Amino acid sequence: EAGVAQSPRYKIIEKRQSVAFWCNPISGHATLYWYQQILGQGPKLLIQFQNNGVVDDSQLPKDRFSAERLKGVDSTLKIQPAKLEDSAVYLCASRLGARGVNSPLHFGNGTRLTVT
Amino acid sequence: AQRVTQPEKLLSVFKGAPVELKCNYSYSGSPELFWYVQYSRQRLQLLLRHISRESIKGFTADLNKGETSFHLKKPFAQEEDSAMYYCALSGLDTGNQFYFGTGTSLTVIP
Repeated sequence: EAGVAQSPRYKIIEKRQSVAFWCNPISGHATLYWYQQILGQGPKLLIQFQNNGVVDDSQLPKDRFSAERLKGVDSTLKIQPAKLEDSAVYLCASRLGARGVNSPLHFGNGTRLTVT
Repeated sequence: AQRVTQPEKLLSVFKGAPVELKCNYSYSGSPELFWYVQYSRQRLQLLLRHISRESIKGFTADLNKGETSFHLKKPFAQEEDSAMYYCALSGLDTGNQFYFGTGTSLTVIP
C-alpha cells in the first residue's frame, strides 16, 4: 500500500513569512494527525482530524497555525506568520479508524522547516 | 495526565551485547503501548505493539502494568539496530491520541 505522502520535504523561510505543508494519508484512513518534532524532542501533537472534523486542536497555536481537511482526505497545515521557534520537522500521520483496536500510526517522511 | 518517559536520551552498547531501552508511562485507563523506530534518513515506523506480543527484528517488549513500564529488549544487539527509538502511548481515554516519549538514540558499537 502507498504510504503517507508529505510535501515539501524541506522548506526554508524567513521569520514573519507564511508556509504551508501538505499531507495525503493512506487510503481509507479516517484519522489524520499533524505532529511537530523539535530537534531532540519527541513528536508533539498539533491537531487530530477524524474524517473532515477536528477531534483535538488544543495544542495548536491558533494565532499563527491553521489546518484543514476539507474533504476528509488530504490535509494542509499553515503557519502565518512564522517565528524562529517554529523550526522543526512537521510530521503527518494517519490511522485506520478512531477506535481501531491497537491500529498504529503510519507516518510520512515529514517536512523539515527552517525559519531564519 | 498521560505521560511517557524515556529516561535515557543516549544509549551505546557493543555488538552482540544485550540492550534494553526503558519506557515508563502514566495513564489511568487501559493503555495501548507501542515502540516506534526511526533509522537514519527514514520515516518513523512501527516496531512493535504490546497487544501483538510479537518479536520484531529480535526485539520484544512486555507491558508491566504494576510497574507501568514497557521496556524494549533485545538479547544480542546488531549494528543495524542503531536508530532513534520512541515509546508511544494511546488508548480510548486519550481520544485515540498518541503520546510520545522524548526518544532514546541507540548506537551499537562494532
